[in-house]
Amino acid sequence: EIVLTQSPSTLSLSPGERATLSCRASQNIASTYMGWYQQKPGQAPRLLIYDASIRATGIPDRFSGTGSGTDFTLTISRLEPEDFAVYYCQHYVNSPPMYTFGQGTKLEIK
Amino acid sequence: QVQLQESGPGLVKPSGTLSLTCDVSAGSISSNNWWSWVRQPPGKGLEWIGEIHYSGSTNYNSSLKSRVSISVDQSKNQYSLTLRSVTAADTAVYYCAKNGHSCLQYWGQGTLVTVSS
Repeated sequence: EIVLTQSPSTLSLSPGERATLSCRASQNIASTYMGWYQQKPGQAPRLLIYDASIRATGIPDRFSGTGSGTDFTLTISRLEPEDFAVYYCQHYVNSPPMYTFGQGTKLEIK
Repeated sequence: QVQLQESGPGLVKPSGTLSLTCDVSAGSISSNNWWSWVRQPPGKGLEWIGEIHYSGSTNYNSSLKSRVSISVDQSKNQYSLTLRSVTAADTAVYYCAKNGHSCLQYWGQGTLVTVSS
């Protein structure tokens, strides 16, 4: 079973700064099966990125995803006040089907 | 875009059965999509429970497979989750979601289920 480890657990930044969130897989995975979600308190997760680098519908272009192999990154180029939330990476395998999530990174206002 | 809404009892007794339904609107459950359940214990991360296709085909998380079943009712445009022999560890917010390409594209707002006597 693939384990996803996100770092850091908490990231403290100010609006306007650049955020870099990491997700490391315990073994090589296909980039087409990596996604990223944003979750605010009391709300459901929202899909940001799928296939490692494709923004979901309506997601601003300040969000970008990169990576391959075992290392994947979510970058927020210039933080807006509404971006402070918890972010999860997610991997999918198709045989047998299974979705696995990282433990999350909390992005907080400094 | 499709909208999803979970419903069901908010309190279940230990050793009992948890049953939830997800109503799908602004879209047909009979489209060629898979539909998932995900849960999140209070203050913790996300766990995928399983998925169903409108044809009735299912896939489950191996960690829950012995206790879980998911079914679909095309006539009502909804699908359901059943989790048997629950314990306090099953206390969580339960979400239904529409699958996308190797991702969970749209989510319901979630419903908290507490397991307690």
